[in-house]
Amino acid sequence: NAGVMQNPRHLVRRRGQEARLRCSPMKGHSHVYWYRQLPEEGLKFMVYLQKENIIDESGMPKERFSAEFPKEGPSILRIQQVVRGDSAAYFCASSRDLQETQYFGPGTRLLVL
Amino acid sequence: AQKVTQAQTEISVVEKEDVTLDCVYETRDTTYYLFWYKQPPSGELVFLIRRNSFDEQNEISGRYSWNFQKSTSSFNFTITASQVVDSAVYFCALSDVPQGAQKLVFGQGTRLTINP
Repeated sequence: NAGVMQNPRHLVRRRGQEARLRCSPMKGHSHVYWYRQLPEEGLKFMVYLQKENIIDESGMPKERFSAEFPKEGPSILRIQQVVRGDSAAYFCASSRDLQETQYFGPGTRLLVL
Repeated sequence: AQKVTQAQTEISVVEKEDVTLDCVYETRDTTYYLFWYKQPPSGELVFLIRRNSFDEQNEISGRYSWNFQKSTSSFNFTITASQVVDSAVYFCALSDVPQGAQKLVFGQGTRLTINP
């Protein structure tokens, strides 16, 4: 049973470009969470999605960031017009149900030049 | 507001020593979950354990054990007979029993180095 998959594992962007991070949850999991780990900091919740719905985006910056989890395909975290401060590791987690344990993917390390 | 404090930023021990990683949490909820995750040098996050606030029994899994004490709001993690492969950053986390999103609140992490 494959775990949570994220790609790319590493992403380099120049300031002003767009970054697209993908997350495929574990088989049978319909709940997806995105967290961000800034350098030398712990992980911070960004957004929680179920299929086709954003349930809670209270941790996501209001501008330039968006997330989706379409009926078909992976969840996407999109960052428009990236700035250096967006450089971080972005982790996706999935769970089978709302109260089940979250299992994390390997993360995408974004570097903004 | 929920908060998790891992006061030990870095710990370094020699292989085969026992080591305890501290975790203190704050929450107003009466029902909650506590977690430990491991982040090895390769960078992924590995789930280790989840405890429900109703279950204060200590847990042992091989060389790993966890001591949950509600009276002191602590959920400490002990590695017995440490090995080099245990070197990683360890995160303690807390979530309420969700009505909406199960948002994990993480501590800052403890970087554990096991020296041969």
